Amino acid sequence: DAMVIQNPRYQVTQFGKPVTLSCSQTLNHNVMYWYQQKSSQAPKLLFHYYDKDFNNEADTPDNFQSRRPNTSFCFLDIRSPGLGDAAMYLCATSRVSGYQETQYFGPGTRLLVL
Amino acid sequence: EDQVTQSPEALRLQEGESSSLNCSYTVSGLRGLFWYRQDPGKGPEFLFTLYSAGEEKEKERLKATLTKKESFLHITAPKPEDSATYLCAVPWAGGTSYGKLTFGQGTILTVHP
Repeated sequence: DAMVIQNPRYQVTQFGKPVTLSCSQTLNHNVMYWYQQKSSQAPKLLFHYYDKDFNNEADTPDNFQSRRPNTSFCFLDIRSPGLGDAAMYLCATSRVSGYQETQYFGPGTRLLVL
Repeated sequence: EDQVTQSPEALRLQEGESSSLNCSYTVSGLRGLFWYRQDPGKGPEFLFTLYSAGEEKEKERLKATLTKKESFLHITAPKPEDSATYLCAVPWAGGTSYGKLTFGQGTILTVHP
């Protein structure tokens, strides 16, 4: 009964070689988020989708893109990974209501850049 | 600017030794506070949401409380399986009801048998 699923769990890529990480959810939440988390640091929001509306954080590098083809799926594309992009990438979802809704996280994808 | 500070950075306990983790925050108009547990190499696992001062929530050996300036995560008679990093987060005050969370740096809890 996994709710937020990320694939793959581990991804190895080469410097400059594009990579795509995927996230799917069974919660039917209309908001999906991508976070980057480096070792011993807190998660850092990259961007989020409210339905099909894309919201980019001001300090997210242009190297990072995202796609959300439908409610259930969201992708993170890293166009030209650098060594500094090695990190855990976390997908999260929430629903919209009058309160600040809880964000539920997936298990993460660990990205290694060689 | 919103700030979330967790203390201590690391906490070592003996099995059965109760203690508390602290999360202090400075935000204009708190719209919730979240506690997560994160195991190494995994995503944060949701524990509690607190919305108003005085609110308390419990789950097994964990109890979260909220005041106007801080939240505590009390751990009663911890077991080694409670070892993890505990994160607290608050919604960014300038955002929407579904927007960015500001996370604390976390407390690394180690419980020795």
